[in-house]
Amino acid sequence: KQEVTQIPAALSVPEGENLVLNCSFTDSAIYNLQWFRQDPGKGLTSLLLIQSSQREQTSGRLNASLDKSSGRSTLYIAASQPGDSATYLCAVRRSRDDKIIFGKGTRLHILP
Amino acid sequence: DTEVTQTPKHLVMGMTNKKSLKCEQHMGHRAMYWYKQKAKKPPELMFVYSYEKLSINESVPSRFSPECPNSSLLNLHLHALQPEDSALYLCASSQAGTGIYEQYFGPGTRLTVT
Repeated sequence: KQEVTQIPAALSVPEGENLVLNCSFTDSAIYNLQWFRQDPGKGLTSLLLIQSSQREQTSGRLNASLDKSSGRSTLYIAASQPGDSATYLCAVRRSRDDKIIFGKGTRLHILP
Repeated sequence: DTEVTQTPKHLVMGMTNKKSLKCEQHMGHRAMYWYKQKAKKPPELMFVYSYEKLSINESVPSRFSPECPNSSLLNLHLHALQPEDSALYLCASSQAGTGIYEQYFGPGTRLTVT
């Protein structure tokens, strides 16, 4: 059974700091891993998608890495801003049945 | 246009009511999804449609009935719901085929069952 774990569950950091969010998964047979952002009561916004053959993806201040063999992904946020405050979810797409499994998310609060 | 729209934004219904949720996308995606999300929990997959055919049903109770009338539209028909069905219902879409494609989510419908 595929399990996706995100650590920490919650994180508060001062504005301007760089930070790393972690995601681990138990079954390495995946098509891809996707990082999302969710504001309270809202839908999910896709941040980065990493295919299983890729090692990392970058978009602006965000960099996501994938180590499929060890079942880990990280989301690096540079120069954090108060507007980055949200819940960050990672999701893996399982290759054996094409199902998408989400982690429980990391609630990020950037202190002004 | 990378937008998935959902209507209504909020819905309050009694346990004997029949209502429907609607999802629409115009990105040419041929895979569409329904998720249920309870407060402070991750989204849980309910149904997947691929090329307008139901491909995944995650053992969802029959009081939830999905429908994909065409490649741009996805409905979720609701009947005889329970208070524990109150949640945020999210629709998503992606290109179909092997699962390498990015999912795009709508803003969700906040459902309250009284």
